[in-house]
Amino acid sequence: AQKVTQAQTEISVVEKEDVTLDCVYETRDTTYYLFWYKQPPSGELVFLIRRNSFDEQNEISGRYSWNFQKSTSSFNFTITASQVVDSAVYFCALSEAEDGGFKTIFGAGTRLFVKA
Amino acid sequence: SQTIHQWPATLVQPVGSPLSLECTVEGTSNPNLYWYRQAAGRGLQLLFYSVGIGQISSEVPQNLSASRPQDRQFILSSKKLLLSDSGFYLCAWSVPGYRADNSPLHFGNGTRLTVT
Repeated sequence: AQKVTQAQTEISVVEKEDVTLDCVYETRDTTYYLFWYKQPPSGELVFLIRRNSFDEQNEISGRYSWNFQKSTSSFNFTITASQVVDSAVYFCALSEAEDGGFKTIFGAGTRLFVKA
Repeated sequence: SQTIHQWPATLVQPVGSPLSLECTVEGTSNPNLYWYRQAAGRGLQLLFYSVGIGQISSEVPQNLSASRPQDRQFILSSKKLLLSDSGFYLCAWSVPGYRADNSPLHFGNGTRLTVT
């Protein structure tokens, strides 16, 4: 069965610090997709990134970067030079094909506090 | 462009009362549709997903049910609410079918349900 573990419940950093959010997943499929979503205080989930299981290339987008390691089943998310606006709950998710579509399972989320 | 509408935004219901939350998607055909619940301070739990009209898969045994009477309409219901049903309910859609490039989830704004 699929499982997504985000061991860090809450992280608190001071502005401009770098922070890494961990995500470990379990799956028996060889084809799957990994995602990160951000949930700001307003409550709406915002898609950040998608990775498929055949592409282990790391990605950087501005201050955000993602490290996908199939050998350790991890998909970690790093924010460089954090800002107060980064304060949110971040969810890692795993999606696999099922019943003609895709089913997505989320981790419990990591709440990030960035203090000024 | 595609949009997702979810209502109501907030709802306060007494224990034992019925529930009906509605979600509609515009601008796409035959989307995968999902209902998630986020309990206070916790992660996202997949409740139901649907790959087509009348096709509902349930992830968690509970007193909730879902229906998809039309292609782009997804309804979450309960005959008798429990206190434990309180939470933040999110509807989401994704591109249908098996795809090499999996679609991320697009979320509605959520319904905050308080059962008193």
